[in-house]
Amino acid sequence: DTAVSQTPKYLVTQMGNDKSIKCEQNLGHDTMYWYKQDSKKFLKIMFSYNNKELIINETVPNRFSPKSPDKAHLNLHINSLELGDSAVYFCASSHASGNTIYFGEGSWLTVV
Amino acid sequence: KNEVEQSPQNLTAQEGEFITINCSYSVGISALHWLQQHPGGGIVSLFMLSSGKKKHGRLIATINIQEKHSSLHITASHPRDSAVYICAVRFVNQFYFGTGTSLTVIP
Repeated sequence: DTAVSQTPKYLVTQMGNDKSIKCEQNLGHDTMYWYKQDSKKFLKIMFSYNNKELIINETVPNRFSPKSPDKAHLNLHINSLELGDSAVYFCASSHASGNTIYFGEGSWLTVV
Repeated sequence: KNEVEQSPQNLTAQEGEFITINCSYSVGISALHWLQQHPGGGIVSLFMLSSGKKKHGRLIATINIQEKHSSLHITASHPRDSAVYICAVRFVNQFYFGTGTSLTVIP
């Protein structure tokens, strides 16, 4: 059983389109994250949700909107995709007070 | 300035060599992770440390809390160790990440 699963793994889309990446965790964690990994492999926090509530919202364009229907899911919706959005997006989860973090497999987004 | 600094950024080694990757951090942490990412792959946690030393196979991780420093050692390196290694620390309610070390082990 995959602990943190995200779909799709690969996504190629045209500029201007709207797309979503889904994330689900079956670990019973109360906190979920979205990270963007740049070309130099640096992981930059985008959003963090605790029990479906937004607790971290770093400076990202408002074209990016996270949605957490329940604490096991945190989906990332991106409007009006731009070339610079091309990156790998990682979902992760942890307990709010815990030290362990689990990552999804990553979603490779290419905007053409 | 990043809260977590790693060195070196890139590392090429011959198969069999002993490898060390260093991580320094500037905040008080509750735990430190060493993560591994193979090319085109996901991110997995190799170790979680809050003190001392841990060993798993050919990998050894150490941490010095007073000096805010951790090292990841790979003994008898192998081409399958080629990956990006990322240091991450847990501070308050966030994780902070180093910029990663890209390791290539040549047969």
